[in-house]
Amino acid sequence: DAGVTQSPTHLIKTRGQQVTLRCSPKSGHDTVSWYQQALGQGPQFIFQYYEEEERQRGNFPDRFSGHQFPNYSSELNVNALLLGDSALYLCASSWGLDRGTNEKLFFGSGTQLSVL
Amino acid sequence: QKEVEQNSGPLSVPEGAIASLNCTYSDRGSQSFFWYRQYSGKSPELIMFIYSNGDKEDGRFTAQLNKASQYVSLLIRDSQPSDSATYLCALDSGGGADGLTFGKGTHLIIQP
Repeated sequence: DAGVTQSPTHLIKTRGQQVTLRCSPKSGHDTVSWYQQALGQGPQFIFQYYEEEERQRGNFPDRFSGHQFPNYSSELNVNALLLGDSALYLCASSWGLDRGTNEKLFFGSGTQLSVL
Repeated sequence: QKEVEQNSGPLSVPEGAIASLNCTYSDRGSQSFFWYRQYSGKSPELIMFIYSNGDKEDGRFTAQLNKASQYVSLLIRDSQPSDSATYLCALDSGGGADGLTFGKGTHLIIQP
């Protein structure tokens, strides 16, 4: 059973460019969340998708946008990249949208984004 | 704004001893509390969660929650070198769509 898979594993971009990161949830999962983890910090919640809609959003600017597809996979798009966007981007999946959603959360291995 | 505070460490503990990791939080509306382990260069792995005051045990791990003091802790008994990692404390407000709010993590080193 494949877990949460993310692609690419590493990415190098320059300031001002745009980037798209991809995530396939664990089999049986229908909820996808994205987190940003800067070096030496804990992950920060970006947003969560369920039934192809953004359900909750953290304190991130509109440059960060996402999408969920009918097969539950998801994309994270970041426009106008800044040096400060350099981080590990983690996708996490779960199922349902209830109090126990976070209790069933599984993280992918992440995409390491470097902005030069 | 929710805040989760952890001592960044490193916390050094001899092999076989009890490691005690602590976390405080600011939002009294927080409902569920999570402990994750993250090895260097890897993704976070859930160790356990707790949402009622008191202790919850799972093998060598015990989570303790005190909502009045806004304090949650993780005890690791019989610490092993393989327990060396960063331990992240996280919480949510109990809503299904809530993202987790994480602390910065405590770096734990188990000395053989």
